[in-house]
Parts: sequence; C-alpha cells; structure tokens
Amino acid sequence: GENVEQHPSTLSVQEGDSAVIKCTYSDSASNYFPWYKQELGKRPQLIIDIRSNVGEKKDQRIAVTLNKTAKHFSLHITETQPEDSAVYFCAAPGLQGAQKLVFGQGTRLTINP
Amino acid sequence: ETGVTQTPRHLVMGMTNKKSLKCEQHLGHNAMYWYKQSAKKPLELMFVYNFKEQTENNSVPSRFSPECPNSSHLFLHLHTLQPEDSALYLCASSQVLLNNEQFFGPGTRLTVL
Repeated sequence: GENVEQHPSTLSVQEGDSAVIKCTYSDSASNYFPWYKQELGKRPQLIIDIRSNVGEKKDQRIAVTLNKTAKHFSLHITETQPEDSAVYFCAAPGLQGAQKLVFGQGTRLTINP
Repeated sequence: ETGVTQTPRHLVMGMTNKKSLKCEQHLGHNAMYWYKQSAKKPLELMFVYNFKEQTENNSVPSRFSPECPNSSHLFLHLHTLQPEDSALYLCASSQVLLNNEQFFGPGTRLTVL
C-alpha cells in the first residue's frame, strides 16, 4: 500500500523564523496531499492541501510545495508565531483511491518566544 | 451541535467490559472513518464506511466491532480489550468523492485497565 514518511519528528524554531516539514510518498499515482494541524488536546484540522496539477500553493504564512518526480511534498510556515506550535501531519491517498488517507508519523513543532 | 461529535469523551474500562463509542456527523457527509491515535502510530486508520457499507478494515482485531446504521452515525463496539488498546479514538467524516477533506471529531480517550 501507500507509504508516507514524514521528517523531522520534532522541530523547534525561534518565533519569527521559518519552519519546513517534509514528506515522501510511494505511490506515483497519488494526486492529493493534505496537511493537518493538531493542537494539544484538540482534533486534527486541515490547514492546506495541494493537488498534483500544481507545484505550489500558498495561504498567507503557509505554503505547500510538491515535487511529483521525486515523490515528496513539503509544508512551509513563515514568520512563525506561538500559536503555530502543534503536531502537523501530512497525508496521501491510499492505493485504490483517494478516500483512504495514509498519514505520516507527525511532526511536533515548537515555537520558542 | 455542528460538525463531528463523539461520546463519551473519556472512557475507562476493564478488560472484561463491553462498551461502545458513538460518533455523529452533522455535515451531510456520506463517508465515515474510525482512527486510532497512540504514541506509537499517530493516526492509524481502522475502518471506512461509504453510504453505510464498510469498505475498509485495516486488519483490526475482532474485539473492535464497528456499526454504521446510517450515514450520520458510526459506532465502535468494544469487548475484551487489552491494555495496549488504550489510545485516543478519532472519528472522521467526508464526502464520498476523490480528494475530499476529512473532518475529525474531538475523540474518545480510552483507558483499558
């Protein structure tokens, strides 16, 4: 089945700096890549997603890039703020369709004031 | 209440008990999911239901028994669980279309004594 690897598992950055989280996937037919944010004690929520017909998507301080050839995609957070502290999960569709999502192992991001 | 709700929010049970987790979605979706979230495997898909029909069983032990009476409700019946089943159990819903966002419930924190 689809295999999603996420790195790093933990990331600590100074407030105002940028953070980058990377994921690789195994199924070259995958065409949808969401990112979820889970704050402490709360449910995962979608923050941004990208489809395979584009290479980059931005939403204010958050951006996602996709390299289909290398089968990896990344989350970029600029001008980080304390409220960005959370666990971030990438995901890719499982084989046989996009409805089933396979999640990465998660990255615990800590923003230091 | 809007979105995806889950009850109970916390559950402590012995290994010989039988209990049920409930999930309800108020979003008009037709696909529902059960995930297990633990320290070892952050977001592990258990079951998928489309239009009340189970379409995915991710090799889940039979001591977990799902039930989907309609597109808005999903249950997870628990019996003779093991301590290693202690985890956060998350329900999610989405539309049965490719590449669609999954909306998560707040989860049930389960402790098996």
